[in-house]
Amino acid sequence: DAGITQSPRHKVTETGTPVTLRCHQTENHRYMYWYRQDPGHGLRLIHYSYGVKDTDKGEVSDGYSVSRSKTEDFLLTLESATSSQTSVYFCAISTTSGTPYEQYFGPGTRLTVT
Amino acid sequence: KNEVEQSPQNLTAQEGEFITINCSYSVGISALHWLQQHPGGGIVSLFMLSSGKKKHGRLIATINIQEKHSSLHITASHPRDSAVYICAPVVGNQFYFGTGTSLTVIP
Repeated sequence: DAGITQSPRHKVTETGTPVTLRCHQTENHRYMYWYRQDPGHGLRLIHYSYGVKDTDKGEVSDGYSVSRSKTEDFLLTLESATSSQTSVYFCAISTTSGTPYEQYFGPGTRLTVT
Repeated sequence: KNEVEQSPQNLTAQEGEFITINCSYSVGISALHWLQQHPGGGIVSLFMLSSGKKKHGRLIATINIQEKHSSLHITASHPRDSAVYICAPVVGNQFYFGTGTSLTVIP
């Protein structure tokens, strides 16, 4: 258990509304990731962070932004939600002590955009 | 881009059978992660390996870095092994995920 929580766990929202998902970790890991999981696709990287205020885009970053003002929190924002962003969102951390890195996942957030 | 292929996509086995799930990838990697996703959705780390073989209980993972291939074996399968198994090759601090193998073990 890497001490990762996500909130909310479920959310239904309307098209065009902003949505923020929160990922919180308790173990001070440097790397944090946001993925989305959709049927027929593997987990796809949205954004990741390698430290406070240090973030980078993943392969499916359009329509999403992130912020990391504290080590323990990584926020994912959908500025104006669309139906194509209906998905399950997973936050993950990776350990950086030793090689290779290992990744641990939060419980996921199921987002439905109507 | 690292192309990751898993086979089979779906697998149904009788309890007690020996199971093999395969993972192939296209670029050089530093390690490979095997994950298990339960029907409830939670994702659990099973193995991280960069060479050879690792064993944990009834699960065995092997990797051949030169051939860009890894396998996950389950011995004496049990209905509680029913889950989606995902391989994730690792390049630096980036993880690339296969679409998963859905395993159902019938009593």
